[in-house]
Amino acid sequence: GAGVSQSPRYKVAKRGQDVALRCDPISGHVSLFWYQQALGQGPEFLTYFQNEAQLDKSGLPSDRFFAERPEGSVSTLKIQRTQQEDSAVYLCASSSRRSGRDSGNTIYFGEGSWLTVV
Amino acid sequence: QQQVKQSPQSLIVQKGGISIINCAYENTAFDYFPWYQQFPGKGPALLIAIRPDVSEKKEGRFTISFNKSAKQFSLHIMDSQPGDSATYFCAASTSGAGSYQLTFGKGTKLSVIP
Repeated sequence: GAGVSQSPRYKVAKRGQDVALRCDPISGHVSLFWYQQALGQGPEFLTYFQNEAQLDKSGLPSDRFFAERPEGSVSTLKIQRTQQEDSAVYLCASSSRRSGRDSGNTIYFGEGSWLTVV
Repeated sequence: QQQVKQSPQSLIVQKGGISIINCAYENTAFDYFPWYQQFPGKGPALLIAIRPDVSEKKEGRFTISFNKSAKQFSLHIMDSQPGDSATYFCAASTSGAGSYQLTFGKGTKLSVIP
């Protein structure tokens, strides 16, 4: 596709329910990122993949959060036993460059998956 | 610890005026400073970016000014238009380990009134 595609766009989950958020990056992009954006805040880094390797998961807020990118393209962010504080927009982004080569990668964001936990 | 501080939180500018948004950073290892524009219900989109080897970069009506010694950078939007109404985020990253990670400011909601 032409851009980063995320699904579902909107998700309402009951507290304690597991959710899975999908990201289709721009075709051929090596790097994939997940960010969390709370209402009225800037995005905050969650995790980073280079191809299928998860090189950094330091931003994941708890062990209830898990991300994977098994074939180096589509990625899934899974949240287990959702809590109200998990309510946020989850942004996926991709870039054609690898980390460490050069700062200033142009990172393209999707429109986000809006998660509301009730 | 907030590594990138952005101000103001909101800004109202008349059509044709100049919008100015400021950011300050703490980590001297940052060497890439992009600005993102976000419309409601959309993801952030890269607007313009600068590296610390230059003090200013201009693209159309958008200009970044960079002051390395003060660890500050700003976005100027000339001839502001109602279509510029959006939330603007400054960000920063490094070229070392973790260069993939953007640190964002909290955002400035810009409203351009006719």
